[in-house]
Amino acid sequence: NFILTQPHSVSESPGKTITISCTRSTGSITSNYVRWYQQRPGSPPTTVIYDDDQRPSGVPDRFSGSVDGSSNSASLTISGLKTEDEADYYCQSYDTRWVFGGGTKVTVL
Amino acid sequence: QVQLQQWGTGLLRPSETLSLTCAVYNGSFSGYYWSWIRQPPGKGLEWIGEMNRFGSTNYDPSLKSRVTISLDTSRNQFSLKLTSVTAADTAVYYCARGPLGEASLWGQGTLVTVSS
Repeated sequence: NFILTQPHSVSESPGKTITISCTRSTGSITSNYVRWYQQRPGSPPTTVIYDDDQRPSGVPDRFSGSVDGSSNSASLTISGLKTEDEADYYCQSYDTRWVFGGGTKVTVL
Repeated sequence: QVQLQQWGTGLLRPSETLSLTCAVYNGSFSGYYWSWIRQPPGKGLEWIGEMNRFGSTNYDPSLKSRVTISLDTSRNQFSLKLTSVTAADTAVYYCARGPLGEASLWGQGTLVTVSS
């Protein structure tokens, strides 16, 4: 099966924009939907993006998702960074079994 | 509002069987998959398996020989059993609900420690 690779950490100042990548090792990133979960310390994950680019109700439009077949990657972009966005973010996809990325720690300086 | 509340034994000795239960409040089993995911301390998320209300299951290949997920629709609960645990099974275990292949609602998590 495939692996999803994320950067270990991303840091940026409040108000700025960050993009977290999630690269699929084999097979096309467009073959299966990608989801993004946010996990704050001591809490279960919550969905911030599903079906590649859809936001659940209640998730601010500062969060957006996209997929790029040419780089075989999905991306989560957070604009107008806030201190409350500081968390771990995981991408996840499904192809007969769930595959999680290793997670990216976002620090808002 | 649908909620998942989970419980189970928090401390096990090696070779014992892990047993966790997740109750579904204000919701039914219809139309969803019911999953278990775990997270070793300080590490990332690991999928264990999923089941739908018709009894169709799907397990991670690395755990398949030791895992059983079951549903009790009369009690609105689903359960996880993991046999022959080792220290490597120490993790926070989450139950979750969602469409096939994803989690849209999570339980609060249960820390299970395996230690002699």
